[in-house]
Amino acid sequence: SAVISQKPSRDICQRGTSLTIQCQVDSQVTMMFWYRQQPGQSLTLIATANQGSEATYESGFVIDKFPISRPNLTFSTLTVSNMSPEDSSIYLCSTGQGTDTQYFGPGTRLTVL
Amino acid sequence: GNSVTQMEGPVTLSEEAFLTINCTYTATGYPSLFWYVQYPGEGLQLLLKATKADDKGSNKGFEATYRKETTSFHLEKGSVQVSDSAVYFCALSDIGKNQGGKLIFGQGTELSVKP
Repeated sequence: SAVISQKPSRDICQRGTSLTIQCQVDSQVTMMFWYRQQPGQSLTLIATANQGSEATYESGFVIDKFPISRPNLTFSTLTVSNMSPEDSSIYLCSTGQGTDTQYFGPGTRLTVL
Repeated sequence: GNSVTQMEGPVTLSEEAFLTINCTYTATGYPSLFWYVQYPGEGLQLLLKATKADDKGSNKGFEATYRKETTSFHLEKGSVQVSDSAVYFCALSDIGKNQGGKLIFGQGTELSVKP
């Protein structure tokens, strides 16, 4: 299984600002995924990040709000832009190393005031 | 589209009680099925999985059997411990999308085990 780390682990931000979340995997992987978990809710996929191509966004999520970078096979970032209190969530990255079993990072707990 | 439905929580049990958390799914094709666990303040951990009909996944005393005829993947444990208190998520892999990796999650079931 992959070992995944995320930074920051938590943050409190003011509305209108942006936060970039980093995700690091201990091995090279083709696909990385970003999920959102709103308070008391389940996980929803935001986008799929492939190295060397544009991220693929799920319905309801747009690049201007959640730009993603994937500069190499072990790293990805998700930016939450122009934040509002509704963006307060846990953001998790995951990878499956080419299988359908996903391994998740510890998550980034974001609170927007 | 594909979906997962879990029994609503919270579920409160006494230590050593028997646990069942129901999970049913709707899917085209033959997805893999998963149970993930989220302990307080932590990320998601894979608890167990099954990749085809009649497979049984098991880990840490938890079991779930992939039942295609009833489209179910119920989680069971014979004797729960206080340390099992967590939120449990049932999920399926969305076959055909992104060559695997996209998971569809149920709403989660919070389990609280009292001593």
